Amino acid sequence: QKEVEQNSGPLSVPEGAIASLNCTYSDRGSQSFFWYRQYSGKSPELIMSIYSNGDKEDGRFTAQLNKASQYVSLLIRDSQPSDSATYLCAVRPFKAAGNKLTFGGGTRVLVKP
Amino acid sequence: EAQVTQNPRYLITVTGKKLTVTCSQNMNHEYMSWYRQDPGLGLRQIYYSMNVEVTDKGDVPEGYKVSRKEKRNFPLILESPSPNQTSLYFCASSFSGEQFFGPGTRLTVL
Repeated sequence: QKEVEQNSGPLSVPEGAIASLNCTYSDRGSQSFFWYRQYSGKSPELIMSIYSNGDKEDGRFTAQLNKASQYVSLLIRDSQPSDSATYLCAVRPFKAAGNKLTFGGGTRVLVKP
Repeated sequence: EAQVTQNPRYLITVTGKKLTVTCSQNMNHEYMSWYRQDPGLGLRQIYYSMNVEVTDKGDVPEGYKVSRKEKRNFPLILESPSPNQTSLYFCASSFSGEQFFGPGTRLTVL
């Protein structure tokens, strides 16, 4: 079992719709969770961080965390063509040295006009 | 502007020719890290540093060296590059868990 798992996609979403991305993780003691957006050939860009159970909203993005079920999700509302990218889920394992993050393989999102 | 910089951005080299990729951050972060990204394998940590003179191996350290003599700089050294080190490399720095990435270095080893 991979430490952080994501569906690779592509997730095809009509413009204006909601894109829903999921991520599961294996380390039950993990405390910090992050979503990064990565455009092709570019560096990952942090878009959301979440540390406690529940929802966290930032603009059109909502991160949801359920530690009991060991999953974290990202919702993108009113999806725009500029949201077309790969979204990486990252988890800080409980016993990680320093600020080590473990990344999922990413979900590719395609927003179609 | 808070940023992580890497140089060079693109590099084509030949097997066995030593090279260094520089990384610098201006955020006074203690934690820095190097990753490589390959299709189908995602981002994998090569080395990390928790502070000056404190470095340790990540998940894929073979064939790489690092040093941390100053807080702001964390160079990645390939002493004898091989074709399997052809990849996209990212440096990152962090203060409290959220990592900030440099623009990347695309390395091709022929």
